[in-house]
This record gives sequence, C-alpha cells and structure tokens, in this order.
Amino acid sequence: KAGVTQTPRYLIKTRGQQVTLSCSPISGHRSVSWYQQTPGQGLQFLFEYFSETQRNKGNFPGRFSGRQFSNSRSEMNVSTLELGDSALYLCASSLVGTSSGNTIYFGEGSWLTVV
Amino acid sequence: GESVGLHLPTLSVQEGDNSIINCAYSNSASDYFIWYKQESGKGPQFIIDIRSNMDKRQGQRVTVLLNKTVKHLSLQIAATQPGDSAVYFCAENYGGATNKLIFGTGTLLAVQP
Repeated sequence: KAGVTQTPRYLIKTRGQQVTLSCSPISGHRSVSWYQQTPGQGLQFLFEYFSETQRNKGNFPGRFSGRQFSNSRSEMNVSTLELGDSALYLCASSLVGTSSGNTIYFGEGSWLTVV
Repeated sequence: GESVGLHLPTLSVQEGDNSIINCAYSNSASDYFIWYKQESGKGPQFIIDIRSNMDKRQGQRVTVLLNKTVKHLSLQIAATQPGDSAVYFCAENYGGATNKLIFGTGTLLAVQP
C-alpha cells in the first residue's frame, strides 16, 4: 500500500513567484493536513481538509491557500513568495476526520527554497 | 505560529541502553497523542500513539507513558540501536472533529556505538 506521496520533492523559486505543491493521501484516506517545518519554528499547522472542505486553518497569512479534490488529493499554493517561506512542507493523511485514534501518516515533504 | 522550535534538546545514549525522551504538552483538553521519528531529509514517521483514557501503551521496543496530571508524555526506547538516531517529536490533538496536531520542539537522539 503506497504511503502519502508529495510532489515535487525539491524546488527553488524566486521571491515574488508562486508555487503549488501536491499531495496524494494514502488510498482510502479522506483527511489531509499540511504543515510547514523550519529550523526556527519547528512544525506548524497550515490547514486541514476533509471531504473537500477546509475545516481548520493555522496562523499563516492569506498567501497560503489550499484545496482538496473529490479523490482526496490535495494541493497547497503559496503566492508572492518571501525568503521566509523557505521550508519543508509536509502533508499528512488519515482515514477519518476525527481524532478517534486513527493514525496520521506523513509524506516525505516538499523542500522549497526561495531565493 | 503555535509551535516554537528554537533550541533542539539532545539526548546522547550508548547503543544497547534504554532511552527516555520527555515531552510537555500544552492543552489539558487534548485527548490523543502521537510520537513521531524524523530522520534527516525525511518526513515524520509514526512510532506509537496513546489516547487520554490510557496512561501507558507498549509497542515493539517502545513504550509511551502519559501523565495527565502534569501534562507530560514520555517515550521509552528499549535497547537503543544506531538506527534509532533521529529527531523525535511528540504531538497532541485537541480532540473533536479535527486531525490538527500541535507539535513539541523535538529531541535529537544520538546513539553512540
């Protein structure tokens, strides 16, 4: 059974550009969450989707957005990139949408460098 | 952001010894807790979880202890091996209709051969 798949794995962008990252959850999983990981701030929650609806959003500016498709695949977009957006972006998936003990699995992440 | 990751604590142990990694969580209403292992350049890997109605759970070579009174979580690794070297994160879920996790700062486990 394939795990959480994130693409691309590595990318370099210029300040002011935008970027779209993709996440394919484990087959059958309907909940997808996104996290940003940096050395200074650790792992921070970005947003969560369940059945194509955003249920939760972290404390990030509106430049960060996401969506989920009917097949549970998800994308996140960052517009007007800043140097501080350089980070590892992680996607996590789980079977159901509540903390009912269902395990939350992470992908390998997308490394974004903004220059 | 809600997670502060400034200085990464380090635990250095000898191969074969037992390791104990500690974590203080923030919300007394949290009802689900997970430990993740993250190796360099990889995403967090699930190790073990525990719900708030339990105080101990065991897996293969790992045990998680939960003390709700002092909001403390620990991960015990028996017979630590070089392959256990990684950063370990605890994460809490506030409960309800969300899978949002709040992560701790992480602990670097260094296993000396």
